[in-house]
Amino acid sequence: AQSVAQPEDQVNVAEGNPLTVKCTYSVSGNPYLFWYVQYPNRGLQFLLKYITGDNLVKGSYGFEAEFNKSQTSFHLKKPSALVSDSALYFCAVTDKLIFGTGTRLQVFP
Amino acid sequence: DAEITQSPRHKITETGRQVTLACHQTWNHNNMFWYRQDLGHGLRLIHYSYGVQDTNKGEVSDGYSVSRSNTEDLPLTLESAASSQTSVYFCASSEGGADQETQYFGPGTRLLVL
Repeated sequence: AQSVAQPEDQVNVAEGNPLTVKCTYSVSGNPYLFWYVQYPNRGLQFLLKYITGDNLVKGSYGFEAEFNKSQTSFHLKKPSALVSDSALYFCAVTDKLIFGTGTRLQVFP
Repeated sequence: DAEITQSPRHKITETGRQVTLACHQTWNHNNMFWYRQDLGHGLRLIHYSYGVQDTNKGEVSDGYSVSRSNTEDLPLTLESAASSQTSVYFCASSEGGADQETQYFGPGTRLLVL
């Protein structure tokens, strides 16, 4: 079965430190990979996507993600975390309509 | 500005009642989706539509139905509400096409079935 996995329910990081939120996928063909962010009591917001081309994609709010075909991963990264980055993050393969279970990012001052 | 809205934002109903959740988008998108969000499960697809008169079942479609009579609206109906359908429901839309898969989400409807 096709799936998207986010192995960490929660990631804690100190403000100013780099952050990584992990995502791996198992789908057929070439996936369209997305990251979305959800703030409390809000709908999901688009962060960035990989369709084709450069494996490193840059998105909103200083986030970036690296597509690694051999490891079937699409980890979300940011060089310097902000307290305001605290939210729920979802990895998705939207052409397959599959979302991960979400990772809660907590950035401490 | 184009947007996607959901109503009501909060709903309390009783087991066995029929409930309809509205979703309206002004993006003129072909594709519309309904998801439910539950702790530990992330987002799960209920139904989706790729255009007027087109509807398809998702992963958790049992007990739900949709109809698409125009581009802007995709109402979600719970035929006979059950406590297991207590959840937060999100509607989304996308333009479609190879490079247009970005989904735009509504604010959600929090449904409690007593």
